[in-house]
Amino acid sequence: EVQLVESGGGLIQPGGSLRLSCAASGFTVSSSYMTWVRQTPGKGLEWVSFIYSGGNTNYADSVKGRFTISRDNSQNTLFLQMNSLRVEDTAVYYCARGVNTLDLWGQGTLVTVSS
Amino acid sequence: DIQLTQSPSSLSASLGDRVTITCQAGQDVNIYLNWYQQRPGKAPKLLIYDASDLATGVPSRFSGSGSGTDFTFTINSLQPEDIGTYYCQQYDSLPPTFGGGTKVEVK
Repeated sequence: EVQLVESGGGLIQPGGSLRLSCAASGFTVSSSYMTWVRQTPGKGLEWVSFIYSGGNTNYADSVKGRFTISRDNSQNTLFLQMNSLRVEDTAVYYCARGVNTLDLWGQGTLVTVSS
Repeated sequence: DIQLTQSPSSLSASLGDRVTITCQAGQDVNIYLNWYQQRPGKAPKLLIYDASDLATGVPSRFSGSGSGTDFTFTINSLQPEDIGTYYCQQYDSLPPTFGGGTKVEVK
């Protein structure tokens, strides 16, 4: 079955770090464009970062310098390393296949940044 | 960033009704616009890509049209499983942006 399964979310204090994982099955992450999107009740859906199959990456201005997208080809897994977390990073984080058109989404993982 | 304005923000319709949602882009996005459905408690799901192309496995009652700045999404005969929130998304320029969503309920 072709699917994405996120993990790693949780409650973290402001300034802390968290690493999200997105395990893929049924296709190869390293051959695909992959994206992280987050969703909050207030700001809706917001693109966070993507990685091309060749390895080039891009980030939203709001997370640039704090978040890093990467992948582990042996585990067929996408990651999002989140450092210097802020209250406004609180959201459900989704990984998705694609960059322009997101044709497969994971179920999401909730990140809550609060003291 | 390109702003996408959806209307209405919510609607209530009867089963079997035709439902229409519009998405207006702040600048020309050509046909580089997608539509997603998000059922309650679930992740978004791609329905329409490149403004009017139906994604694999999506029922033909869903359709999209438009180009430039004005786009329309239609459900031809509303079914119970169509309840949820619908989002447009542009990818003409970075960053990709999403509309604010249209919540569809059954009357």
